[in-house]
Amino acid sequence: EVQLVESGGGLVQPGGSLRLSCAASGFIFSDHYMAWVRQAPGKGLEWVGHTRNKAHSHSTDYAASVKDRFTISRDLSNNFLYLQMGDLKPEDTAVYYCARVESGGDDAFDVWGQGTMVTVSS
Amino acid sequence: SYVLTQPPSVSVAPGKTASITCEGNTIGGKSVHWYQQKAGQAPVLVIYYDTERPSGIPERFSGSSFGNTATLTISRVGAEDEADYYCHVWDSSSDHRLFGGGTKLTVL
Repeated sequence: EVQLVESGGGLVQPGGSLRLSCAASGFIFSDHYMAWVRQAPGKGLEWVGHTRNKAHSHSTDYAASVKDRFTISRDLSNNFLYLQMGDLKPEDTAVYYCARVESGGDDAFDVWGQGTMVTVSS
Repeated sequence: SYVLTQPPSVSVAPGKTASITCEGNTIGGKSVHWYQQKAGQAPVLVIYYDTERPSGIPERFSGSSFGNTATLTISRVGAEDEADYYCHVWDSSSDHRLFGGGTKLTVL
């Protein structure tokens, strides 16, 4: 069964850091783009960034709102996706989902995790 | 930057047809994907590449895209279809992915 399970959310102070994890199973992890998508309370979905597949050297791209503060990486040995978040702001408060891209390029997010909540507050 | 616009809400009577639009400049030339998100749950892909249905999605769900508007159509709407719906495209100029603001479908 294809599955994504996020963990690592919690309460963090403004300016702090947090690392989210996403355990992937049931598919060849390196063959797929993987993305992080967030949803602030009562708001819509926002693409955070992605890491491309092995064919594209697992390179990354980020939304302007998180660029230079967030970093996406993979552990290919254990099939984990990470989101390292730094200099956190209250507006980063959201449920963070990891999502699999069907293949790459303009494909859909065909598998989603259940999400993990991040709250940035003093 | 590319912008996708959805109506905030759509209401429909049970058994009728709901149409949810997603507007963007020449969106007909892009691949549009649609997600359903029920309260407290993760999004679920319901339409990909404008018109394709993933396995397990009822035939009542269909999509189209032309010009500046993509449309998700749900026929014979039931209470189980009440949810937020989001369109999504890939912006080739930036290699970024974009979502519309979402549409809340209410079944009267």
